[in-house]
Amino acid sequence: NAGVTQTPKFQVLKTGQSMTLQCAQDMNHNSMYWYRQDPGMGLRLIYYSASEGTTDKGEVPNGYNVSRLNKREFSLRLESAAPSQTSVYFCASSEGDNEAFFGQGTRLTVV
Amino acid sequence: RKEVEQDPGPFNVPEGATVAFNCTYSNSASQSFFWYRQDCRKEPKLLMSVYSSGNEDGRFTAQLNRASQYISLLIRDSKLSDSATYLCVVNEGGGADGLTFGKGTHLIIQP
Repeated sequence: NAGVTQTPKFQVLKTGQSMTLQCAQDMNHNSMYWYRQDPGMGLRLIYYSASEGTTDKGEVPNGYNVSRLNKREFSLRLESAAPSQTSVYFCASSEGDNEAFFGQGTRLTVV
Repeated sequence: RKEVEQDPGPFNVPEGATVAFNCTYSNSASQSFFWYRQDCRKEPKLLMSVYSSGNEDGRFTAQLNRASQYISLLIRDSKLSDSATYLCVVNEGGGADGLTFGKGTHLIIQP
């Protein structure tokens, strides 16, 4: 059982480049989330999707877009990367008020 | 805005000692509580759920105090491998507002 799978694990971008982070879960969860985590800070919610076909902004959505492609997949896109977006990105999923499961993270550096 | 507060530490504890830390939450109607463990540069992983009557898993004990709105984690006979950041999580379901993370407590077990 793979759980939550994120790709890529590492990425270096130049300022202004675009990229998409992929996330897929095989637990049939309705809710999916994208977080970023910076040194000394907690997890900050970028976007979430409560169910297939819906997405909503979290705490720090600027500079990002998301797509809930189907129930399994929730992607995060950076249209024009900036150094301030250098971070570790985590995808997570959950169902109802149960525990959340996380992907292994994507370490993104924007130079 | 729902809040989950934790002492960031670090807690420096000798190997074999018992350590406990708390987490307070702001929403008195919250129903689901969890402790997660996060190792450096890794994804958060579920350590244990917290049940109303309190629960134990080996050397770990979690308790809930609804009157004072806090949950606690007790680690007995601490091991070097317990060094990590421990995240308190409240999940009320229904999207981003339902999943609230504390910023974590950093625990260092010293030989």
